[in-house]
Amino acid sequence: GNSVTQMEGPVTLSEEAFLTINCTYTATGYPSLFWYVQYPGEGLQLLLKATKADDKGSNKGFEATYRKETTSFHLEKGSVQVSDSAVYFCALRGNQGGKLIFGQGTELSVKP
Amino acid sequence: GAVVSQHPSWVICKSGTSVKIECRSLDFQATTMFWYRQFPKQSLMLMATSNEGSKATYEQGVEKDKFLINHASLTLSTLTVTSAHPEDSSFYICSASGETNTGELFFGEGSRLTVL
Repeated sequence: GNSVTQMEGPVTLSEEAFLTINCTYTATGYPSLFWYVQYPGEGLQLLLKATKADDKGSNKGFEATYRKETTSFHLEKGSVQVSDSAVYFCALRGNQGGKLIFGQGTELSVKP
Repeated sequence: GAVVSQHPSWVICKSGTSVKIECRSLDFQATTMFWYRQFPKQSLMLMATSNEGSKATYEQGVEKDKFLINHASLTLSTLTVTSAHPEDSSFYICSASGETNTGELFFGEGSRLTVL
């Protein structure tokens, strides 16, 4: 079945550091891939998405490229801010719709 | 963008009582809604999928008599935790998918249930 694996956290960075959170997936067909962010005590917000191979999703300085050859969708940001501190979830949804499969989440803590 | 609202955002109840959580899509019709449960420092666990007008499909290991899901309209789904016990304390999050399947799901703010 479909699955998503993220790098374990917590990840602690200094402000303005470069961020990479790895995400790999296993799926049949051509799923859509997502990154969601969860701030403390809140629900999930969509950060970015990509629906086909080689698509790059981007938002608020974050980027991720759908790599079918490596089944990856790594999240990157060139310069993180304290306000980026949150838990980040990689997720996939099959091309037939249906349920969203989440990775285990990676907690990011950015220090000033 | 599409908005999904949950209510209440937090609730405290006594053991043995039942609690209802509402999930509403405010500006679109949600043909499918999903209910998740999240324990502290963990990922989201899908509990069930509900389609408007039909019975919910529960994930393996989720007690359907314990967690009653109703999706009576295209804008409202409810989760009722029946005879709640302290181990049911958790963060419950709903999400919704619109008629036009863009792939993404829209999430509510979550409801934190504490059972004493």
